[in-house]
Amino acid sequence: KQEVTQIPAALSVPEGENLVLNCSFTDSAIYNLQWFRQDPGKGLTSLLLIQSSQREQTSGRLNASLDKSSGRSTLYIAASQPGDSATYLCASQGGKLIFGQGTELSVKP
Amino acid sequence: ETGVTQTPRHLVMGMTNKKSLKCEQHLGHNAMYWYKQSAKKPLELMFVYSLEERVENNSVPSRFSPECPNSSHLFLHLHTLQPEDSALYLCASSQGAGASTDTQYFGPGTRLTVL
Repeated sequence: KQEVTQIPAALSVPEGENLVLNCSFTDSAIYNLQWFRQDPGKGLTSLLLIQSSQREQTSGRLNASLDKSSGRSTLYIAASQPGDSATYLCASQGGKLIFGQGTELSVKP
Repeated sequence: ETGVTQTPRHLVMGMTNKKSLKCEQHLGHNAMYWYKQSAKKPLELMFVYSLEERVENNSVPSRFSPECPNSSHLFLHLHTLQPEDSALYLCASSQGAGASTDTQYFGPGTRLTVL
C-alpha cells in the first residue's frame, strides 16, 4: 500500500529565502508525482506534474524533482514571497492519487 | 478558477437530515472524483466515476451515496451522517481516470459540519 510522507509539516521563512519541501513515497511503481497548492478553505491547484520517466519539471520560481529509485521528490521555491503562503501537497499517481499530509508554508514579509 | 464548481460552499446539517452536494465540471473531462479532507489527515479518495460509471469505491459507508447522471455532473447524497463526517469534501475531474498524464482539477470544496 502506497504511503506518502511530507516533511516538514510546517515551515516559516522570511521573504526572499529559497526553500525546499520534501516528499517521500514507499512504492516506486508510480505513473507520476504531482505537487498541489491549497489555500485556506479552498480547493487544490495543480503546480507541477512529473511523469515517472522524467527527473524534474520547472514552472517560474518552482522546480520539482523526482528520484523514483529512492522514493523522493522535492519542491524548490526560489525567492519566496508572502503570496506563496499556503499548504503544499504532493501526491503519487499509480492508478489513483495518494496524497501526503502537506507542508504548511508561511512566508513572512 | 479551475473549471470545476461545487455547491454549496458551506453546509451545516443535523444527523437526521438528508442533503446533497453538487459538482459540475466545464472542462469536457470524462472522469470525476469525490475526496474527503479531514483536519490533520491526508485527502482520502471516496469515489471515482469514469464515463458515468463508478470504477472505484474506497469502502465508503453507505450513508454517502454518489450519483453521476452525466459526464459533467456529480452528486454526493448524504443521510444520517455522524459528527466525524464533518470535513471538506472536494470534487475533481480529469480527462481520463488514471493515465500518467491525467492531471486532476479540483473544485473549491464544500465545508460540511454535522451537528
